[in-house]
Amino acid sequence: DGGITQSPKYLFRKEGQNVTLSCEQNLNHDAMYWYRQDPGQGLRLIYYSQIVNDFQKGDIAEGYSVSREKKESFPLTVTSAQKNPTAFYLCASSMAGTGNTIYFGEGSWLTVV
Amino acid sequence: GENVEQHPSTLSVQEGDSAVIKCTYSDSASNYFPWYKQELGKGPQLIIDIRSNVGEKKDQRIAVTLNKTAKHFSLHITETQPEDSAVYFCAASSGGSSNTGKLIFGQGTTLQVKP
Repeated sequence: DGGITQSPKYLFRKEGQNVTLSCEQNLNHDAMYWYRQDPGQGLRLIYYSQIVNDFQKGDIAEGYSVSREKKESFPLTVTSAQKNPTAFYLCASSMAGTGNTIYFGEGSWLTVV
Repeated sequence: GENVEQHPSTLSVQEGDSAVIKCTYSDSASNYFPWYKQELGKGPQLIIDIRSNVGEKKDQRIAVTLNKTAKHFSLHITETQPEDSAVYFCAASSGGSSNTGKLIFGQGTTLQVKP
């Protein structure tokens, strides 16, 4: 099936640890995005990438890092510098440019224990 | 900065009634306005979108209207059904010269359709 696959669905992190969320897409999309969603709130952009080997910070990039070594993959690392990482993380992709439909994965829940 | 305001935050209607959700945006360069439906624990799914060269778009029971002068757009759902119950998000494309696919999202509306 075509789509966006995020893993793991649920992840627990101890304070001080880095964790990496996986995102893979087989839609042949150039652009990929990571959004964070807190309970009862909208989606906020963490990082986005329009092309392989290039990415830009979104509105809340502090404490996060990404890489885009392959077109299909855009992993997100939540570092220990992120003070409040408990949230629902959504990966998305689209064709490059404005006005193209953005498709979302099913999300990953991260909880700090 | 760029901002999208969405109202109401919660909406409860009887099955068969209509539901309307409104959004305003701040960036006059925005030209793409999608609406997403999100069920609990899942990713948002696009239900309808509109571009700035169109004032209204309809798809079966769902319609969206856009007023670029006033910088607001609305989602209309007619003949609501219990399966329409979900969180709905509006979004506006981020303008500027970067030609990216960035979206600015509203805060979401929780729609409850009572049988």
